[in-house]
Amino acid sequence: GAVVSQHPSWVICKSGTSVKIECRSLDFQATTMFWYRQFPKQSLMLMATSNEGSKATYEQGVEKDKFLINHASLTLSTLTVTSAHPEDSSFYICSARDSGRGAHEQYFGPGTRLTVT
Amino acid sequence: DAKTTQPPSMDCAEGRAANLPCNHSTISGNEYVYWYRQIHSQGPQYIIHGLKNNETNEMASLIITEDRKSSTLILPHATLRDTAVYYCIVRVTDSSYKLIFGSGTRLLVRP
Repeated sequence: GAVVSQHPSWVICKSGTSVKIECRSLDFQATTMFWYRQFPKQSLMLMATSNEGSKATYEQGVEKDKFLINHASLTLSTLTVTSAHPEDSSFYICSARDSGRGAHEQYFGPGTRLTVT
Repeated sequence: DAKTTQPPSMDCAEGRAANLPCNHSTISGNEYVYWYRQIHSQGPQYIIHGLKNNETNEMASLIITEDRKSSTLILPHATLRDTAVYYCIVRVTDSSYKLIFGSGTRLLVRP
């Protein structure tokens, strides 16, 4: 089946620094990837849609200058949390849509747990 | 996209069928029903989707009422590994392909 990986699986950083999270589709091409954030005991919240070769589309209330998204290839999207603060500590999950298949299935990565100290 | 309503939690005995309901009374004609599940601290996993006909795959069955205002996900023989949060999502298959997650149902499978 289709596999989506994320790196790193967990990261601890100091307040004020930036952290980059990678999302890769391992065995398919993904023109569209999505980034979600999940706080403890809450549901997933869609942050943005990442489109290969174009600017990301952010959901209302998500700061695009704080959460930088780059989708430079058909298999890689990155999310950079800039000037991280403790309130950015969360579980970040990406998903990818297989461009070569139908519109229905999205494949999710295993998530990246970010802790900002 | 139409809103969905799910019970916050359910439980069932291992080996028995788990029937998870979802209400989507405002669904429109071109909206599909999707089910995903999330096992603790992992990314969500696709289970099944449907438009108006009942669907079955190796994981589950999806029963959609004739008026499409509700659906039921059936795990025919639940195992302990099926303990997870199950999300019912209604979505238009437009060019955005976005999935908006609600609060889901936390299913506990008891030994």
